[in-house]
Amino acid sequence: QSVLTQPPSVSGAPGQRVTISCTGSSSNIGAGYDVHWYQQLPGTAPKLLIYGNSNRPSGVPDRFSGSKSGTSASLAITGLQAEDEADYYCQSYDSSLSVFGGGTKLTVL
Amino acid sequence: EVQLVQSGAEVKKPGESLRISCKGSGYSFTSYWISWVRQMPGKGLEWMGRIDPSDSYTNYSPSFQGHVTISADKSISTAYLQWSSLKASDTAMYYCARHAYDSSGCDYWGQGTLVTVSS
Repeated sequence: QSVLTQPPSVSGAPGQRVTISCTGSSSNIGAGYDVHWYQQLPGTAPKLLIYGNSNRPSGVPDRFSGSKSGTSASLAITGLQAEDEADYYCQSYDSSLSVFGGGTKLTVL
Repeated sequence: EVQLVQSGAEVKKPGESLRISCKGSGYSFTSYWISWVRQMPGKGLEWMGRIDPSDSYTNYSPSFQGHVTISADKSISTAYLQWSSLKASDTAMYYCARHAYDSSGCDYWGQGTLVTVSS
């Protein structure tokens, strides 16, 4: 059971917008710690998608965006593409240690 | 080019010891932390612990404290994850990843090392 809670799965049709939530508590996200998001394509290592709540590393399309409010954070993907089908994980900090969310499988219909 | 290159897949028996490695290149190895992350078959990412290679200061997740040891040799830009007595439940993919400070995101990841523990 992860400290950060994500929905196990989300889905959307090509071109649509989907959001993935990451719910924490007052000891992690609510304490002001940054949230980071990763994309893991099948059979590959995770890739940093969003850092510091809402910042995109170089090379990440602007279809991906992140936000944070209170004890939760969200990843939004607009203009959904088949290549976005992957597992997505949030990460934050709690009691001086890193924690990951349980992960969300995105299916592109 | 920043790279984290991990050692190859391992097949071990329960009770055996093991050390896997993660060699950094293309950046100042002592300027970034290295974290280790476990991914059991078909499961999510689990943060195991991290090391500051500049002074070998380490933090561990309570779930892994006492079962694994994280170390680093800054002279060869390499971090290690080791077990003294493997269990079948240690079968997993293990990733190393670098991050700029303790709560920052991991911007580069190794390719992963698959560890299989079976009698």
